[in-house]
Amino acid sequence: DAMVIQNPRYQVTQFGKPVTLSCSQTLNHNVMYWYQQKSSQAPKLLFHYYDKDFNNEADTPDNFQSRRPNTSFCFLDIRSPGLGDTAMYLCATSRRSGEYQPQHFGDGTRLSIL
Amino acid sequence: QKEVEQNSGPLSVPEGAIASLNCTYSDRVSQSFFWYRQYSGKSPELIMSIYSNGDKEDGRFTAQLNKASQYVSLLIRDSQPSDSATYLCAGRDGNTPLVFGKGTRLSVIA
Repeated sequence: DAMVIQNPRYQVTQFGKPVTLSCSQTLNHNVMYWYQQKSSQAPKLLFHYYDKDFNNEADTPDNFQSRRPNTSFCFLDIRSPGLGDTAMYLCATSRRSGEYQPQHFGDGTRLSIL
Repeated sequence: QKEVEQNSGPLSVPEGAIASLNCTYSDRVSQSFFWYRQYSGKSPELIMSIYSNGDKEDGRFTAQLNKASQYVSLLIRDSQPSDSATYLCAGRDGNTPLVFGKGTRLSVIA
């Protein structure tokens, strides 16, 4: 059974039209992450939460925002997507912070901006 | 130096051979390391983790860590066509999020 679930799997939206991607987890993990991965590139961390403690990476664009209303759910909001935001968006979780904790990924949302 | 560096490949090996994937890292991600496999269009899947110098074996996979030389490698024995994927090396220091390399694309030729 999938433990980190992302919806939708595929999203096509127009330039400038707000879009929300969702992630839910059944693992009861404390930490949730959002990564952006473009073709043939490394996953790039956008934000992460330790419980409700939000951590934004310095180079995450301002039109990217995130919400975590409870332990199970996390959302990525892109207020005004540009063509350069076309990418795979990956949600990941880990049980808690700590150097030995692996991150478990959902299946990703492939976002296309037209 | 980038925090985690990998040769992007492609690395081609014949079926049944040993595939050797390498990764170097900076001082900023020097505590623990993870290898993920990513099939085209799919999300990364954890294969191995390693924290101490030396070798760690799991089935056909062996991870090797050399902290003095700052490299970590993944060996795949008896490579199969189903092993064809991109392999991502990731590291961290303390409780920071993982930092990923760009990945090495492996192609196992039948």
